[in-house]
Amino acid sequence: GAGVSQSPSNKVTEKGKDVELRCDPISGHTALYWYRQSLGQGLEFLIYFQGNSAPDKSGLPSDRFSAERTGGSVSTLTIQRTQQEDSAVYLCASSLGGGETQYFGPGTRLLVL
Amino acid sequence: GQSLEQPSEVTAVEGAIVQINCTYQTSGFYGLSWYQQHDGGAPTFLSYNALDGLEETGRFSSFLSRSDSYGYLLLQELQMKDSASYFCAVSPMDTGRRALTFGSGTRLQVQP
Repeated sequence: GAGVSQSPSNKVTEKGKDVELRCDPISGHTALYWYRQSLGQGLEFLIYFQGNSAPDKSGLPSDRFSAERTGGSVSTLTIQRTQQEDSAVYLCASSLGGGETQYFGPGTRLLVL
Repeated sequence: GQSLEQPSEVTAVEGAIVQINCTYQTSGFYGLSWYQQHDGGAPTFLSYNALDGLEETGRFSSFLSRSDSYGYLLLQELQMKDSASYFCAVSPMDTGRRALTFGSGTRLQVQP
């Protein structure tokens, strides 16, 4: 079946611009996660959605970052007024019910010039 | 808070056995997971230990000892395709969420 998909796969933007990253989770998965991975580093938790509950935003690094999940499915991560330190791979994952097995998408590679 | 420590790099030869250790400091977690990530690829799930002991999945085994705050991933009969980064991760209890906290990863290089 279809896995987690993300778009765009690559994004180059200028400092100060806003960007939107999209994630389509596996159908039926109630939990959706966003992580960020800098070059050669581990994954940093950003935000977690579980069903209709309020999202856990505790990992968002600043108020320039926001995310929403519409209809319990597709999610969009928005970064406003991008900075060069925002350059990283942004990974989305989903799981059946907040379970330990998370299925990752291919990521969006963001480069802020 | 939580922190997980892994060696940054491990090198082994094809056909050998390699163990990647993960030590952690955390107030409590649901279990220890391992993920594999090839260069430029997405992390993929390998193994999960909810309880102490050994879990075996084909050539891969994972071990957890909560009393020792320690776990490891064991890869047997190494193949060239096993060259990748390996991350241990925990799902911490103190936040109530099930998102993962990852170690910084171990880069495994398999040589012929």
